[in-house]
Amino acid sequence: DTEVTQTPKHLVMGMTNKKSLKCEQHMGHRAMYWYKQKAKKPPELMFVYSYEKLSINESVPSRFSPECPNSSLLNLHLHALQPEDSALYLCASSSRGANEQFFGPGTRLTVL
Amino acid sequence: AQKITQTQPGMFVQEKEAVTLDCTYDTSDPSYGLFWYKQPSSGEMIFLIYQGSYDQQNATEGRYSLNFQKARKSANLVISASQLGDSAMYFCAMILNKFYFGSGTKLNVKP
Repeated sequence: DTEVTQTPKHLVMGMTNKKSLKCEQHMGHRAMYWYKQKAKKPPELMFVYSYEKLSINESVPSRFSPECPNSSLLNLHLHALQPEDSALYLCASSSRGANEQFFGPGTRLTVL
Repeated sequence: AQKITQTQPGMFVQEKEAVTLDCTYDTSDPSYGLFWYKQPSSGEMIFLIYQGSYDQQNATEGRYSLNFQKARKSANLVISASQLGDSAMYFCAMILNKFYFGSGTKLNVKP
């Protein structure tokens, strides 16, 4: 299984809602990533988990809260988002010592 | 400071012709990796090709080849025999301690 899955594919939420994005991989990768991508821009790294521990937080606002419950799962909890947070959220994984990151199909988030 | 530069925001190519997408990078670290990803309108980032900084030969993967010129710090992607399905956004990326992406090139293949 060489796939990273993400759910949901699309999400519309209000500024007072709480929602979560889910990412899953079964490739045995021990590094997982969250990226945010605005239209016509490159992905921007948000968080990196290595061996289920948060290793990089790129100064992301606290309304985004990542969680890595186990080596296969990565969640992104969303609360009190702003309309400018509307974007494509991509999850990726990689094996330690390897270079290639495998990306999921992304979740298109719209904040009203 | 910009670490990866893609100077072509958009490009057109005729179907079945070859096209080169430009990428230059900036690092003083001797150990790094260079990637090209394709992103169709559906959003998924699709890995195309990888070149390590110590690799002696240019990487090739099917119709994709990476023209690696280390002294010039360039890593151009060459797509041979373009197909309509190649129309997409293409990102060059470099890995140091993390991934650095270029701004992307939108490729349109004309029938």
